[in-house]
Amino acid sequence: NAGVMQNPRHLVRRRGQEARLRCSPVKGHSHVYWYRQLPEEGLKFMVYLQKENIIDESGMPKERFSAEFPKEGPSILRIQQVVRGDSAAYFCASSRTGRDNEQFFGPGTRLTVL
Amino acid sequence: GNSVTQMEGPVTLSEEAFLTINCTYTATGYPSLFWYVQYPGEGLQLLLKATKADDKGSNKGFEATYRKETTSFHLEKGSVQVSDSAVYFCALTPTGANNLFFGTGTRLTVIP
Repeated sequence: NAGVMQNPRHLVRRRGQEARLRCSPVKGHSHVYWYRQLPEEGLKFMVYLQKENIIDESGMPKERFSAEFPKEGPSILRIQQVVRGDSAAYFCASSRTGRDNEQFFGPGTRLTVL
Repeated sequence: GNSVTQMEGPVTLSEEAFLTINCTYTATGYPSLFWYVQYPGEGLQLLLKATKADDKGSNKGFEATYRKETTSFHLEKGSVQVSDSAVYFCALTPTGANNLFFGTGTRLTVIP
């Protein structure tokens, strides 16, 4: 693993609360991707960001979900008013450029909504 | 559309057995193809990749050949080890795109 950091590793929230998931890409990588893995399913693309820009959010649910990758600091995936169906593993990946085919993945954040 | 279908698991093999995990894909154009491996408690790691037809990706004794005529990218290893126990994901990136499309994963357990 090339060093993508995600925190927290485990997050428990009650229905209606907010969840904030953080991702620090590999040093020198300016492209970040978020994927969601529901139980017994493969990873599904959510959003692709560069510094301060959302490039592709075609996989993001239309409501309650947002993502950012500020000039300074980690990328944040924010889920407002969580519901039980949001329980999943959320993986972040980074790449050096947008044309790289190799994405380096973090260990994931496992969100449990009670 | 773009999609990946891979062999359902779980797969249990004895050490030194031959491994095949089937993967087929649907995509427009000429996608790049990947196998990722996920060890317990860790993120996905790129195992091997192939970017054009007839390319063979290989790493750590694993191999997969990009077959455009059968739209397949089957993973093989001649002699598995206990340390190969993990979940294996087949994936593709469509031409001109940045995101990955994954299969559902195949859990491999190798017993001594």
